[in-house]
Amino acid sequence: GAGVSQSPRYKVAKRGQDVALRCDPISGHVSLFWYQQALGQGPEFLTYFQNEAQLDKSGLPSDRFFAERPEGSVSTLKIQRTQQEDSAVYLCASSLLAGGFGEQYFGPGTRLTVT
Amino acid sequence: TQLLEQSPQFLSIQEGENLTVYCNSSSVFSSLQWYRQEPGEGPVLLVTVVTGGEVKKLKRLTFQFGDARKDSSLHITAAQPGDTGLYLCAGALGNAGNNRKLIWGLGTSLAVNP
Repeated sequence: GAGVSQSPRYKVAKRGQDVALRCDPISGHVSLFWYQQALGQGPEFLTYFQNEAQLDKSGLPSDRFFAERPEGSVSTLKIQRTQQEDSAVYLCASSLLAGGFGEQYFGPGTRLTVT
Repeated sequence: TQLLEQSPQFLSIQEGENLTVYCNSSSVFSSLQWYRQEPGEGPVLLVTVVTGGEVKKLKRLTFQFGDARKDSSLHITAAQPGDTGLYLCAGALGNAGNNRKLIWGLGTSLAVNP
């Protein structure tokens, strides 16, 4: 069956540009997570959705970061006015159960490079 | 802020050797997970340990959760080149099984040379 997919896989943006990263979770999965993974580090939590509701956005580093999941399936992470420190791999994960319970299945990530 | 410390950060060994990776924290976790991540891919869950002192085996991999649920180890016996990858531990705070706020270690990058 299809796993979590993310697009684009690679994105190069000039500083100040806006970017949009897409996540297609496994069909029927209630929970969706976004993580940021810097080179040589473990993932860091950004935000969590239960269906279309964004229940936790405590990990978003600034108000330039915005995530949505309007129909409870596909999610988009938008970064406005990108900065060099935004360069990282952005991982999306989905889980069958609500509330953050259950195994998380990760996508391959989008590697963002801000020049 | 990293609450989970992993060691060693890098490990390069020959095929057939044994190795142990450690994950330590001052926090008590309701559960702890081990993942393996290959370049260009997302992490893949290997195991979840929940009970203090718990030992789980997955073929040549043995996972142990500390009695106080603050630390864990991953032991690989007779490592093979296919074991190469980044091994990550992640601890869950709050209710067991609730992975909403996973605290991640920095990872151990393992290279097994043929």
